[in-house]
Amino acid sequence: EVQLVESGGGLVKPGGSLRLSCAASGFTFSSYSMNWVRQAPGKGLEWVSSISSSSSYIYYADSVKGRFTISRDNAKNSLYLQMNSLRAEDTAVYYCAREGVRFSGSPYYFDYWGQGTLVTVSS
Amino acid sequence: EIVLTQSPATLSLSPGERATLSCRASQSVSSYLAWYQQKPGQAPRLLIYDASNRATGIPARFSGSGSGTDFTLTISSLEPEDFAVYYCQQRSNRPDTFGQGTKLEIK
Repeated sequence: EVQLVESGGGLVKPGGSLRLSCAASGFTFSSYSMNWVRQAPGKGLEWVSSISSSSSYIYYADSVKGRFTISRDNAKNSLYLQMNSLRAEDTAVYYCAREGVRFSGSPYYFDYWGQGTLVTVSS
Repeated sequence: EIVLTQSPATLSLSPGERATLSCRASQSVSSYLAWYQQKPGQAPRLLIYDASNRATGIPARFSGSGSGTDFTLTISSLEPEDFAVYYCQQRSNRPDTFGQGTKLEIK
């Protein structure tokens, strides 16, 4: 059974840092690109960052570029998001999501998601 | 950045009725569009990918259509568990973007 379990969320002051983790199991982690998606309280979904299976390709939303760093450790089946210079507007539930399904020749889509971890940025 | 606009914002229907949700892109995304369902306190669940392909385990009452800029998610006969928020997502151009969501509520 595919499982994605996020951890590392919590309360942090503006300007502070936090590192999120996503532990993967039930599939060959090293074969899949992974993503972070966030959702501010009562709001919609916002894509944050993605990383290819071998870490060769990394992308960020403009809203986090230069402050957040995505990484992965395929030996540990884990995905990470290092978040620095946090702002109040970064307050959200952060989900990790696997890119696991596609139609022939199309992009991959997010077929499995974790339960999310809440990050609250407040003084 | 491609903007996805979902309509209506809220849809009030009764179980057994047909639901039609719309997603319009600010420029063509070809068929590279997905639909997700999200219930309170839960992670999103993939329903439809590449505009019209049902994800594994998704009931046949869910169907997707469209290409280019106009897409539709149809639920043929609403079940009680279908009342949730639905999001569309485009994967045509980076950055990935999501629509603002349509809340499907019980009338």
